[in-house]
Amino acid sequence: DAKTTQPNSMESNEEEPVHLPCNHSTISGTDYIHWYRQLPSQGPEYVIHGLTSNVNNRMASLAIAEDRKSSTLILHRATLRDAAVYYCILRGIDTGTASKLTFGTGTRLQVTL
Amino acid sequence: KAGVTQTPRYLIKTRGQQVTLSCSPISGHRSVSWYQQTPGQGLQFLFEYFSETQRNKGNFPGRFSGRQFSNSRSEMNVSTLELGDSALYLCASSLRSGIATGELFFGEGSRLTVL
Repeated sequence: DAKTTQPNSMESNEEEPVHLPCNHSTISGTDYIHWYRQLPSQGPEYVIHGLTSNVNNRMASLAIAEDRKSSTLILHRATLRDAAVYYCILRGIDTGTASKLTFGTGTRLQVTL
Repeated sequence: KAGVTQTPRYLIKTRGQQVTLSCSPISGHRSVSWYQQTPGQGLQFLFEYFSETQRNKGNFPGRFSGRQFSNSRSEMNVSTLELGDSALYLCASSLRSGIATGELFFGEGSRLTVL
């Protein structure tokens, strides 16, 4: 499976934008980039995914580098409720790899007042 | 719409015992996956079931097994429990299997402690 690399932790002030980076230099042309987050004492929840173009949804934006070897999850205004571990995950179109998520260590985001 | 429900939420077992965990997926979802989360290994894929058939399996010993019923509910079983099996066991459901763009919905997990 293609691997992702994320910083172990990041800090942000409330109501400021947060940029969470992810490196995936061995990504294949058909791998989708997914982001999930895990709030304390909860299961992971889906945030966003993309293939080549930048994506926006109500939770976040995903900026994908032109060579697709890195991506950035953008939280436009962090709140205390965004404090979580954020996972960047690659999912291939092969039915075997598409069905299972390979979680790395993720980035623990701390949000302070 | 009800989310993924896992039972029990917490349980304590002793070494050598066996345990069965249950997962009820979101209504209409036919794929159920199981993950183990430990502080040392993080989140690891156990297996996936779709239409009562195991579609994928992670790298876990045969003591870990599962099944899926016709109503898509799933159970996983761990036999001959070891201390290292202490973990949070998470279930995730999705509409279909093998779709790279599909969203997985996770339950809150079953926390197993083995003494």
